[in-house]
Amino acid sequence: RKEVEQDPGPFNVPEGATVAFNCTYSNSASQSFFWYRQDCRKEPKLLMSVYSSGNEDGRFTAQLNRASQYISLLIRDSKLSDSATYLCVAHTGTASKLTFGTGTRLQVTL
Amino acid sequence: ETGVTQSPTHLIKTRGQQVTLRCSSQSGHNTVSWYQQALGQGPQFIFQYYREEENGRGNFPPRFSGLQFPNYSSELNVNALELDDSALYLCASSLEAFGANVLTFGAGSRLTVL
Repeated sequence: RKEVEQDPGPFNVPEGATVAFNCTYSNSASQSFFWYRQDCRKEPKLLMSVYSSGNEDGRFTAQLNRASQYISLLIRDSKLSDSATYLCVAHTGTASKLTFGTGTRLQVTL
Repeated sequence: ETGVTQSPTHLIKTRGQQVTLRCSSQSGHNTVSWYQQALGQGPQFIFQYYREEENGRGNFPPRFSGLQFPNYSSELNVNALELDDSALYLCASSLEAFGANVLTFGAGSRLTVL
């Protein structure tokens, strides 16, 4: 079983739609969580950190449920520029080692 | 402020050969991590270097080795290349080696093994 699991998609949504991605992690010792965004053939870039209290950055909302070992990302009012792969990421241990999910591909269309 | 730079950007090798990939960390960052990203997969942690020492290693065989230099730049060496080593190799630097630091990734080196 993979440490971080995501639905690979693709999710095809029209512009303006709201879309939600889910992710589960298996290592209960994981301490911190992130969403990274990766455009086609580019490097991953940090989108946002994920906190138990939930956090919002503009149209993006991330949520962590430690009891269920579940992380979510909600994107409201999708834009064409949101088309990318969204990587769910867990940090475990003392070294700065990140465990990435396979990624969920989002395609926003006109 | 310069970001993370990697070289070469693309290269093709044959099975059994050896390859060296290079990475310059972002200014002010003292820690470098290497990740392997196969097609359709998320990046997988290879190892991390801090103060010129390996500080954490993922599930990769010993033929994957690395170095960090006093200026914090780093190299990834892969010996006896196999077809499955074909991937995007990402270097990431961070301010510190411990804890959930934000990683800044380079654009990667795309390796094809024939």
